[in-house]
Amino acid sequence: QVKLVESGGGVVQPGTSLRLSCAASGFTFSSYGMHWVRQPPGKGLEWVAVIWYDGSNQYYADSVKGRFTIFRDNANNTLYLQMNSLRAEDTAVYYCARDPYFDSSGPLDFWGQGSLVTVSS
Amino acid sequence: SSDLTQGPAVSVALGQTVRITCQGDSLRRFYASWYQQKPGQAPLLVLFDKNRRPSGIPDRFSGSSSGNTSSLTITGAQAEDEADYYCNSQDSSGHHRMFGGGTTLTVI
Repeated sequence: QVKLVESGGGVVQPGTSLRLSCAASGFTFSSYGMHWVRQPPGKGLEWVAVIWYDGSNQYYADSVKGRFTIFRDNANNTLYLQMNSLRAEDTAVYYCARDPYFDSSGPLDFWGQGSLVTVSS
Repeated sequence: SSDLTQGPAVSVALGQTVRITCQGDSLRRFYASWYQQKPGQAPLLVLFDKNRRPSGIPDRFSGSSSGNTSSLTITGAQAEDEADYYCNSQDSSGHHRMFGGGTTLTVI
């Protein structure tokens, strides 16, 4: 069955970096676009970034552009989110989610359970 | 436009019908997808491409779209439908996504 497992979250200080991973299994990872979506504690969902199935295109929310990088390793079925210059407002649960359309314009049909990132001094 | 607007909360009597709406200029061009989120859980896709349901989603969930508004309707709401519901669509560029603020559904 489809499985997405995030890891790498934790408590970090403002201005530092963190890398999240999303291990995928149960489907052909290299055929799907992938997204990161975050949710601050007690608040709604915020889309963060998307990467096409082959890694050829990436797009970012304005709130993270220039600080976060989404990339993938199709050989090892893993999605990443490199987060630099972290701010308190980046505190959230980060979810990875699968997109079945070739141009990553589709529904987010499977989600991981999330990884909590807390940015605090 | 970069906004999707949802009402914050709605309630429905058990077994009755409820509609949750999502408004935004981008919905004139792109379909919305809808996600259900229960406390402590990851979001779950319940509707996409206007009125398609993933496998396993009950047929009491349906979708519609008109102009700048997309709607999720639950016909015969059940206690287990109590959750937060979020709409999602692309922005005018077609490359970025955005979520509505979410609607909390209470089944009474």
